[in-house]
Amino acid sequence: SYVLTQSPSVSVAPGQTASIACGGKNIGSKNVHWYQQKAGQAPVMVVSDDTDRPSGIPERFSGSNSGNTATLTISRVEAEDEADYYCQVWDGSSDHPGVFGTGTKVTVL
Amino acid sequence: EVQLVESGGGLVKPGGSLRLSCAASGFTFTSYSMNWIRQAPGKGLEWVSTISSIVTYTYYAESLKGRFTISRDNAKNSLFLQMSSLRVEDTAVYYCARGLGAKAFDIWGQGTVVTVSS
Repeated sequence: SYVLTQSPSVSVAPGQTASIACGGKNIGSKNVHWYQQKAGQAPVMVVSDDTDRPSGIPERFSGSNSGNTATLTISRVEAEDEADYYCQVWDGSSDHPGVFGTGTKVTVL
Repeated sequence: EVQLVESGGGLVKPGGSLRLSCAASGFTFTSYSMNWIRQAPGKGLEWVSTISSIVTYTYYAESLKGRFTISRDNAKNSLFLQMSSLRVEDTAVYYCARGLGAKAFDIWGQGTVVTVSS
């Protein structure tokens, strides 16, 4: 089955840029979606289809996807961005197509 | 307001069964696939199951090994997950989520807690 790998943690100072990587074999050929989950809350989609930002999501959140790595970038990080972030794809070639990454904890220093 | 509200969670003994429900409102339910996703305590998100808008297809996580069944009642804007032969490792918060486009999950409920313990 398809595997998505994320670094366990990223630390960033307020105002700086956080980059969260999601690795998968030829992930550039798939649509990647990103979710933010704050402590004790349900996940919220922050980027869909590699680069699309849903209504209400700040422009500071952006995504890219190429080769074997997809990346969620948070510019001008704020304290409220501290959360767990998960990448996700739908592997249409599999009988079990829903796949989440392992998750990255973003800590704002 | 678009909303998903899960119910039906609780404490169940290993080997037991439980049926989760998800009530949808604020959107045209029949236009969307629907999904269940779970999160074990202190762990990451795990996709569980997907059902298409008009029940043309269903998908399940391989780890479930046929123990769960997803269904929906489009007349009642409701999604269900019938869980049987429950194991301790099924303990988790179970989220209902709406499916979007290339199989993203754009709207999530607040979750319902399932605890499997003797």
